[in-house]
Amino acid sequence: DAGVTQSPTHLIKTRGQQVTLRCSPKSGHDTVSWYQQALGQGPQFIFQYYEEEERQRGNFPDRFSGHQFPNYSSELNVNALLLGDSALYLCASSLPPGELFFGEGSRLTVL
Amino acid sequence: GIQVEQSPPDLILQEGANSTLRCNFSDSVNNLQWFHQNPWGQLINLFYIPSGTKQNGRLSATTVATERYSLLYISSSQTTDSGVYFCAVEPSVDFNKFYFGSGTKLNVKP
Repeated sequence: DAGVTQSPTHLIKTRGQQVTLRCSPKSGHDTVSWYQQALGQGPQFIFQYYEEEERQRGNFPDRFSGHQFPNYSSELNVNALLLGDSALYLCASSLPPGELFFGEGSRLTVL
Repeated sequence: GIQVEQSPPDLILQEGANSTLRCNFSDSVNNLQWFHQNPWGQLINLFYIPSGTKQNGRLSATTVATERYSLLYISSSQTTDSGVYFCAVEPSVDFNKFYFGSGTKLNVKP
C-alpha cells in the first residue's frame, strides 16, 4: 500500500520565479491538504482539495494556488516567489472525517 | 482561530527515562493527532485520538476533550525517540483544517 508521495524532494528557486509541487495521495484517499512548515515552527494549513475543488483555505495569499486531478493527485503552485516562501511543503491525504497521513515533503529554498 | 500550545518546548532525557508531553487547545475539537517528525522532516503518525486513551508499545496518549488537553506519554525512552513531537487539532467550527502546535523537541541521550 503506497503512502503519500511528493515530488520533488528538494528544489532551489530565485525570487520572482514560479514553482509547482506535486502530491499523490495514499491509496483510497480522496482528500489532499497542503501545509507550509517554516524552520523551527509547526506546519501551517494552506488549503484542502476534495472532488477537484478547493474546500478550505488558510491565511495564504493568492500567489498560492492548487489543483486536484480526477485521480485525486494534487499540485501546489506558488507564483512570484519571495525569500519568505522558503520552507518545507507537506502534503497530507485523508478520508474525511479522518486521520491525516503526510508525505516526506518538498524542501523549497528561494534565493 | 484556535490556539494550540505544547509544553515543554524542549526536553532532554537520558535513555530509559519516562516523559509526558502536553497539548492544550483553546476551543472544542473534532479531531486530534500526535505526530513525530523525524530528522528528514517526515511527520509520522503516532495517535489519532479525539478522545479517550490509546496505547501503542512504549507510547500512549490520552485526550480529555471536555478539558481541552491531550497528553503523550513516552516510557523507557530510546535514542530513536529523539525529534520533534507535534499535536494537531481540527476545530469543531473550522472543519477540514488542522492547526498545529509549535512542537516539543525531544533529545534522548545514550
